Amino acid sequence: EVQLSESGGGLVKPGGSLRLSCVGSGFSFSTYAMNWVRRAPGKGLEWVATIGGRAANGYYADSVKGRFTISRDNSNNTLFLQMSSLRDEDTAVYYCAKGWRGERSFFDYWGQGTLVTVSS
Amino acid sequence: EIVMTQSPATLSVSPGDTVTLFCRASQSVASSLAWYQQKPGRGPTLLVYGTSTRATGVPARFSGSGFGTEFTLTISNLQSEDFALYFCQQYNNWPPLTFGGGTKVEIK
Repeated sequence: EVQLSESGGGLVKPGGSLRLSCVGSGFSFSTYAMNWVRRAPGKGLEWVATIGGRAANGYYADSVKGRFTISRDNSNNTLFLQMSSLRDEDTAVYYCAKGWRGERSFFDYWGQGTLVTVSS
Repeated sequence: EIVMTQSPATLSVSPGDTVTLFCRASQSVASSLAWYQQKPGRGPTLLVYGTSTRATGVPARFSGSGFGTEFTLTISNLQSEDFALYFCQQYNNWPPLTFGGGTKVEIK
């Protein structure tokens, strides 16, 4: 059974930093692209970032480019999102999601999410 | 960036009804369209990909159709567990991957 479990969310002040983690199990983690998607309160889903299976490249939404960094540790089946220069509008539940095939893909499994609140 | 627009925002229906959700793309995404269901406090779950292919374990009462810029998700004989939020997503052009704003299916 595929499982994704996020952690690391919390309350942070504007301008602060936070690192999210997502542990995957039940599949060959290094084979698949992995993603972060967020949902702000009362809003729809927003794709944040994608990283290929071999971690060669990261791809980012314009709204987070230059502030967020996606990375992965395939030896420990873990995906990360390093967030810096956080803004009020980054407040959201952050989900990690497994790509079905390749970077340009839909998401066949999602975690339960971790809440990030940016507020002074 | 391809903008995805879902309608209506809310559908008030009764168990046993058949409902159709709409998703429009600002430019063609061919058949690269997925649908997700989300319930409160939980992560989304994949329902349909490639416009019309049901994900593993998804009941046959969920059916997707369309091509290019116009897509639909039809839920037949609505069950109590189907009252939820539904999102469409295009994966034809990226970055970015983009989602619609969602349709809430609620009990009348």
